[in-house]
Amino acid sequence: QKEVEQNSGPLSVPEGAIASLNCTYSDRGSQSFFWYRQYSGKSPELIMSIYSNGDKEDGRFTAQLNKASQYVSLLIRDSQPSDSATYLCAVGRGSTLGRLYFGRGTQLTVWP
Amino acid sequence: GAVVSQHPSWVICKSGTSVKIECRSLDFQATTMFWYRQFPKQSLMLMATSNEGSKATYEQGVEKDKFLINHASLTLSTLTVTSAHPEDSSFYICSANAGYGYTFGSGTRLTVV
Repeated sequence: QKEVEQNSGPLSVPEGAIASLNCTYSDRGSQSFFWYRQYSGKSPELIMSIYSNGDKEDGRFTAQLNKASQYVSLLIRDSQPSDSATYLCAVGRGSTLGRLYFGRGTQLTVWP
Repeated sequence: GAVVSQHPSWVICKSGTSVKIECRSLDFQATTMFWYRQFPKQSLMLMATSNEGSKATYEQGVEKDKFLINHASLTLSTLTVTSAHPEDSSFYICSANAGYGYTFGSGTRLTVV
């Protein structure tokens, strides 16, 4: 069983739609959760971090965490073509100084 | 926000030579630096964790004598790929905890010919 699993995609949505990205993790002791966006040929950039159950909103992005179900998601509202990228879910255990475990990423395409 | 500066951004080297990649934390102190490798269409794979002033911790299957990591100061960590071979061609990325989350260097595209 992989540490972090994501829908492999690709996910394709029209411009203006809501894109929903999902991620599950295996370690119940995980305490920090991140969503990164990675454009082709570039390094990942942090979009959202979430540490407690519930929703966290930042602009068009909403992260949702359910520790009981070991599930974290990212919603992108009003999707734009510039959102087209690979989205990586990352999970940290214990101390925030520790390593992250990454999923394989979900490729999102937003078509005009 | 916190920035990790990574150089070079790309490098082409001949098989058998060594390549050094540098990562500098510009406006914060990085006591720990994580080194990742990413092959095309795959996720990031942690190679090793370097800690300032001590030996790096390598992940299983990563040759420590081939991938030399030095973390001599709180702002500089280096990865040297020794005796590089074509199968070492990959995208190498460093990352550090900047307090609010992990920030990544811009990555180094290594091509060994």
